[in-house]
Amino acid sequence: NAGVTQTPKFRILKIGQSMTLQCTQDMNHNYMYWYRQDPGMGLKLIYYSVGAGITDKGEVPNGYNVSRSTTEDFPLRLELAAPSQTSVYFCASSFSLAGKRRNEQFFGPGTRLTVL
Amino acid sequence: DQQVKQNSPSLSVQEGRISILNCDYTNSMFDYFLWYKKYPAEGPTFLISISSIKDKNEDGRFTVFLNKSAKHLSLHIVPSQPGDSAVYFCAASATGGFKTIFGAGTRLFVKA
Repeated sequence: NAGVTQTPKFRILKIGQSMTLQCTQDMNHNYMYWYRQDPGMGLKLIYYSVGAGITDKGEVPNGYNVSRSTTEDFPLRLELAAPSQTSVYFCASSFSLAGKRRNEQFFGPGTRLTVL
Repeated sequence: DQQVKQNSPSLSVQEGRISILNCDYTNSMFDYFLWYKKYPAEGPTFLISISSIKDKNEDGRFTVFLNKSAKHLSLHIVPSQPGDSAVYFCAASATGGFKTIFGAGTRLFVKA
């Protein structure tokens, strides 16, 4: 199993450009998440998904969009890049039963994004 | 509003000694707590967890203690090894909730 994979590893964007961060997991997990980590800060949840076709906002969703058409893929879209979106982005997945305790998350290696 | 706080940004420990990393939370609905370890340029990896029905959980050199009345948990590493040098994140979630809240992390340095 490759686990959670993310592409690209690094990217530099100009203000106003758009891009999609790719995330794929091969563990058949139902839950998937996108986090951002700013220097000296913890992980902030951007969006999450509890299954294909179902997504919802996290703590910091502004400026981002997601979709979940398959169990495996959970891309994150930045439409109009801003310097405030300079961060390291982590995708994660987990398996949990509805209404039950959340299990541990498996993280990808991250995408380091700089917006200039 | 930080629901999960790790007040020590860094900690330095001699190899072979005990490392104690602390975490405080404010939300009384949290009932499951996790510790993740993160090396540079990698994603966090799960280390150990504890449910609120327990006050201690051990896994090899790692032990997590939970004090529900104080809303405090700690991670003990004994004995500490240089390979333990990493950032450790405390995280908390509530049964039925969809989100896990992470602390800001504590960077552990284990000196040989």
